[in-house]
Amino acid sequence: ETGVTQSPTHLIKTRGQQVTLRCSSQSGHNTVSWYQQALGQGPQFIFQYYREEENGRGNFPPRFSGLQFPNYSSELNVNALELDDSALYLCASSIGRGANSPLHFGNGTRLTVT
Amino acid sequence: AQSVSQHNHHVILSEAASLELGCNYSYGGTVNLFWYVQYPGQHLQLLLKYFSGDPLVKGIKGFEAEFIKSKFSFNLRKPSVQWSDTAEYFCAVNDYKLSFGAGTTVTVRA
Repeated sequence: ETGVTQSPTHLIKTRGQQVTLRCSSQSGHNTVSWYQQALGQGPQFIFQYYREEENGRGNFPPRFSGLQFPNYSSELNVNALELDDSALYLCASSIGRGANSPLHFGNGTRLTVT
Repeated sequence: AQSVSQHNHHVILSEAASLELGCNYSYGGTVNLFWYVQYPGQHLQLLLKYFSGDPLVKGIKGFEAEFIKSKFSFNLRKPSVQWSDTAEYFCAVNDYKLSFGAGTTVTVRA
């Protein structure tokens, strides 16, 4: 069983640039959630995708956007990067969008904005 | 939306000591409760979960948690820790999305 994989593992960008992070969900999972984890904090929910449609969004501005593809992989796009966007970005997949579906996390992408 | 509070930021203890990590959540109706663990260099993984039924739930590696509805709490316990339990522990609550606490770093000294 292949787990959740994220790419790249590390990324350095300049303020104002745009970034795309990628996630392959675990086999059999049709739901992908994205989280931002700042240093010393717990993961914060960005949004969730279920069957290629956004299914819930946290308190993040519109410059955070996403996609889910027919194979259930997903992308997180962030435009106009700000210094505070520096964080670990976590992708998690699950079966279904129910509240009782445990999430399976990837190792994350460490984004540094300078 | 739910909010989750974890009482301790960093806990240091010796092997064989007992561990209890506190977690409280804000009221929001029916909730599903989780504890996740992140070992050094590894991804977040599920330790245990509570949906309904017996409020004392058992998870992997000898961990258990007790749901006390009247206190809005879901505390994690382990009677005797090992060095390999050194990790960061996150309490999480799910209504329509999974909300995490800030985490507790547990360091077990051999």
